[in-house]
Order: sequence, then structure tokens, then C-alpha cells
Amino acid sequence: GAGVSQTPSNKVTEKGKYVELRCDPISGHTALYWYRQSLGQGPEFLIYFQGTGAADDSGLPNDRFFAVRPEGSVSTLKIQRTERGDSAVYLCASSFDGQRSSYEQYFGPGTRLTVT
Amino acid sequence: AQSVTQPDIHITVSEGASLELRCNYSYGATPYLFWYVQSPGQGLQLLLKYFSGDTLVQGIKGFEAEFKRSQSSFNLRKPSVHWSDAAEYFCAVVPLLSNFGNEKLTFGTGTRLTIIP
Repeated sequence: GAGVSQTPSNKVTEKGKYVELRCDPISGHTALYWYRQSLGQGPEFLIYFQGTGAADDSGLPNDRFFAVRPEGSVSTLKIQRTERGDSAVYLCASSFDGQRSSYEQYFGPGTRLTVT
Repeated sequence: AQSVTQPDIHITVSEGASLELRCNYSYGATPYLFWYVQSPGQGLQLLLKYFSGDTLVQGIKGFEAEFKRSQSSFNLRKPSVHWSDAAEYFCAVVPLLSNFGNEKLTFGTGTRLTIIP
């Protein structure tokens, strides 16, 4: 079946602009995660959705970052007033039910964001 | 502080040689442990995971990992590497006391594996 998809694969934007990054999880997966991977680093947690609600947004770096998942499927990560330090690969992952018995997250290929 | 450490930034191994990638963690209680692989242009793929029980865990692509509580380690091994194993490898944890349902991963900084013919 189809895996996690993310669009766009690459996004170049100017400092100060607004961007939206989209994640389409595996069908039926209720848990969705966003991570950010800076160059030479491991992914870092941003936000976790269980269904439509953001159950944990403790990883969002500041209030310029916001994410939604209005129908419990597709999620959009929104970044306002982008800064050069926001340049990174943004990864999305989904899992079946977020319960400890599975613990397997399926990752998308990521969106590479470059802020010039 | 809670952390995951991968001491080796870059490892080069000859094709057919054995491999060991190191991972250490610092948590009050043993977390759930994972190894992921990231190939260029590909998403992260789970190789194996450890929750409890047998300390030697078998994964996909011929990889295995051994959990050693006394050393707070979870090292990844492969007896004979193939050129296709060249990739970035990440150790990751989910703390034992995570909020139910929230399985957010904490990753190490990764080890880049280069295979030479």
C-alpha cells in the first residue's frame, strides 16, 4: 500500500514568508508526528497528533510554528515569518494507533525547506 | 539529563567486513530502544526495536542489536556488510514513562556508514 507522502519535496522561500508543508499519512493511522532534521543532526520531535487533536506540541520551537489535522488524516505544518534558521528537512511519521504495542512509526521522505 | 549518544559520526567499512555501530542512552529507567536507517532520498526505516525480554534482537536486512543494561548500550551489528548498507543510522528511544499513546522518538545524532569495495 501507499506509504506516508509529503509535499512539496523541496521548498525554497525568502526570509519572512509564510510556508505550508503537507503530510498525508498511511490510511487508518491515527497517530501522526512531525519532526525536524537539521543538517548533520538526528530528527527532533515537533508535534504529535492523536486523531484531530494536537496531544503534544512541546517540540514546536516558537509561536511561528503551527500544525493542524482537521479531519484526522492529512496534516499541515505552517511556518510564519520564516527565518534562515528554519532551514531543515521536515519529516512526518504516522503509526497505527499510538499504542505501545505497535511502536512502529512510518516516515515520509521529508520536505527540504530552504529559507534564503 | 536524558540523552541518546552515538559516539561515531562516520564509520568506513570494507564490503564483506563486520560492522558494529554504538549507541548509549542516559535515562532513569531503560527506555524503549530503536535503530533506524536513512538512505539518501529515502525516509527513515525501522531496522529493529527492543522493549524487553531477549537482549539480542534480530531485525531486517540481516541486522541485529544487543541490549546491555550494565553499559546502557544498544549497539547495532551486522556480520557482513553489503555496498547497499551505506546510509545514515540513527539510534532512538521512547522513554518508558511517555504519556500513553505518545511515542515520540528521541534520536541520536546519527552515524554515517561508508562502504568501500
